Amino acid sequence: GENVEQHPSTLSVQEGDSAVIKCTYSDSASNYFPWYKQELGKRPQLIIDIRSNVGEKKDQRIAVTLNKTAKHFSLHITETQPEDSAVYFCAASPREYGNKLVFGAGTILRVKS
Amino acid sequence: DAGVIQSPRHEVTEMGQEVTLRCKPISGHNSLFWYRQTMMRGLELLIYFNNNVPIDDSGMPEDRFSAKMPNASFSTLKIQPSEPRDSAVYFCASSLNAYEQYFGPGTRLTVT
Repeated sequence: GENVEQHPSTLSVQEGDSAVIKCTYSDSASNYFPWYKQELGKRPQLIIDIRSNVGEKKDQRIAVTLNKTAKHFSLHITETQPEDSAVYFCAASPREYGNKLVFGAGTILRVKS
Repeated sequence: DAGVIQSPRHEVTEMGQEVTLRCKPISGHNSLFWYRQTMMRGLELLIYFNNNVPIDDSGMPEDRFSAKMPNASFSTLKIQPSEPRDSAVYFCASSLNAYEQYFGPGTRLTVT
């Protein structure tokens, strides 16, 4: 089955710097890759996603890149702010419509002001 | 839109008791997912439904866990009998096409 690995497990950056979180997946059939942000005690919230027919997607300060050949995708946050501090999860969907997400273990991001 | 609704938000019970968690998906969504989150195991998919039909229950830990979706607007996750190792946050999520999943607020279960 699909396996998703996420790195790093923790990341500390200075406010205003960029943060990059990387994930690799094992199933070449995966075609959907979302990123979720979870603040302490709250629910995971979808922040951005990308499908396999696109190499990059951007939404204001966040962007996701996908390399299907290497089977990895990354989350980029620019101009980080203290409110970006949270746990970030990547996920991959191993099959077509109607199927599940496999999540990475999460990255704790701390933005120091 | 009210979003995904879960109840109860917190549940404390004694080992051996039956626990029932409830979920109301976003209206119009046709896929529903039950997840469990712990520090040790992260976010795990337990079971998911498509058009009220269970599609994949390979994540259900054992026979003590069962889930139902009698109609498009309601699902339950039941644990009987409960054990301390079942203590976790249980999330329900729904989606229209199984791509963009939206999570409920979760139920924090503590089994003593």
